[in-house]
Amino acid sequence: ETGVTQTPRHLVMGMTNKKSLKCEQHLGHNAMYWYKQSAKKPLELMFVYNFKEQTENNSVPSRFSPECPNSSHLFLHLHTLQPEDSALYLCASSIAATEYEQYFGPGTRLTVT
Amino acid sequence: TQLLEQSPQFLSIQEGENLTVYCNSSSVFSSLQWYRQEPGEGPVLLVTVVTGGEVKKLKRLTFQFGDARKDSSLHITAAQPGDTGLYLCAGLYAGGTSYGKLTFGQGTILTVHP
Repeated sequence: ETGVTQTPRHLVMGMTNKKSLKCEQHLGHNAMYWYKQSAKKPLELMFVYNFKEQTENNSVPSRFSPECPNSSHLFLHLHTLQPEDSALYLCASSIAATEYEQYFGPGTRLTVT
Repeated sequence: TQLLEQSPQFLSIQEGENLTVYCNSSSVFSSLQWYRQEPGEGPVLLVTVVTGGEVKKLKRLTFQFGDARKDSSLHITAAQPGDTGLYLCAGLYAGGTSYGKLTFGQGTILTVHP
């Protein structure tokens, strides 16, 4: 595997379910990011991790809970989501959080029913 | 909140035509990137510009950074159907708290018809 991978690629969940999104980067980077991409809206930064430490929480509701056990892996734990949370969730990485070149994974298309 | 205006939002052209996409802000960027995203995939970095007035070329794509570092443009010459996709500009603002925080434009959906 190379680059940034995300699993699953597609996820349908009910509002009472609990699920997790996984991201793995094989680039030797130290910063990882979660973004939300909704139709007709710019990409929204959700969380930033730099050397496993969370450095940014962009006012994200607590029903989204990130976890970064090491610099190569990033998770987004989901619970009691709302239909408006349906979107493409993108993971990205960069050498460090101050490095501006970010590399994106293919995303997880989430549908909340 | 700093805004990054991208235009046009939609562009539908015939193969062989030229086009330009614009990215504008009232604030100064420390750097700006252009990405291309295909349906069902994540954005792929095309180029990063850092210096005011900088011009970079990537085959038929020409990227320009404004002298004041507040705007950028992407010009495609002789567009091909393979150029179809969503083009995104993203910037890091100078002088603010930009610890890895890219601000994205809304994107331009380009469709090139054979």
